[in-house]
Amino acid sequence: KQEVTQIPAALSVPEGENLVLNCSFTDSAIYNLQWFRQDPGKGLTSLLLIQSSQREQTSGRLNASLDKSSGRSTLYIAASQPGDSATYLCAVWPSGTYKYIFGTGTRLKVLA
Amino acid sequence: DTGVSQNPRHKITKRGQNVTFRCDPISEHNRLYWYRQTLGQGPEFLTYFQNEAQLEKSRLLSDRFSAERPKGSFSTLEIQRTEQGDSAMYLCASSTTGTTRYGYTFGSGTRLTVV
Repeated sequence: KQEVTQIPAALSVPEGENLVLNCSFTDSAIYNLQWFRQDPGKGLTSLLLIQSSQREQTSGRLNASLDKSSGRSTLYIAASQPGDSATYLCAVWPSGTYKYIFGTGTRLKVLA
Repeated sequence: DTGVSQNPRHKITKRGQNVTFRCDPISEHNRLYWYRQTLGQGPEFLTYFQNEAQLEKSRLLSDRFSAERPKGSFSTLEIQRTEQGDSAMYLCASSTTGTTRYGYTFGSGTRLTVV
């Protein structure tokens, strides 16, 4: 059974700092991995999607990597801003299934 | 196309009442999913439709919950005899068939509070 773990559960950093959020999963047989952002009381916004054959994806100040063999992904945020404050969720789509499995998220606070 | 639309955004109901939520997926997406998210947790899968067929239901979907997708377009999720434990964010997502390349697109969710 696929399980997804995100560490740390919460993170508070000063503005301008570079930071890394971690995601680990137990079964490497996946179609893809997706990172989402969730603001309080809101839905999910897709940030980056990495196919199983890819190693990383980049969008602006965000970079996500995938190491399928070790069951790990990282989301790197460069030059953090207060507007980056949100919960970041990692989700994997296991092969042979129709659904994403989510981690419990990392709650990020960027201090001005 | 304005993405996945969910209504209402918020719903407060008394325990024991029935509630219904609606999801309108992206028009060319024939797969539709419902998830539930409680405070401090990640979303958990509830059910999945391909066109009008409900192909999978989680054990989380008790007999008080029912979901439909008539004509393979919008979907409704009904909760009968609501309980305080049903308080959560209910998220809908859609995707295309035949490829996992694009992942899901989520709606903004319906926040249910049972008092």
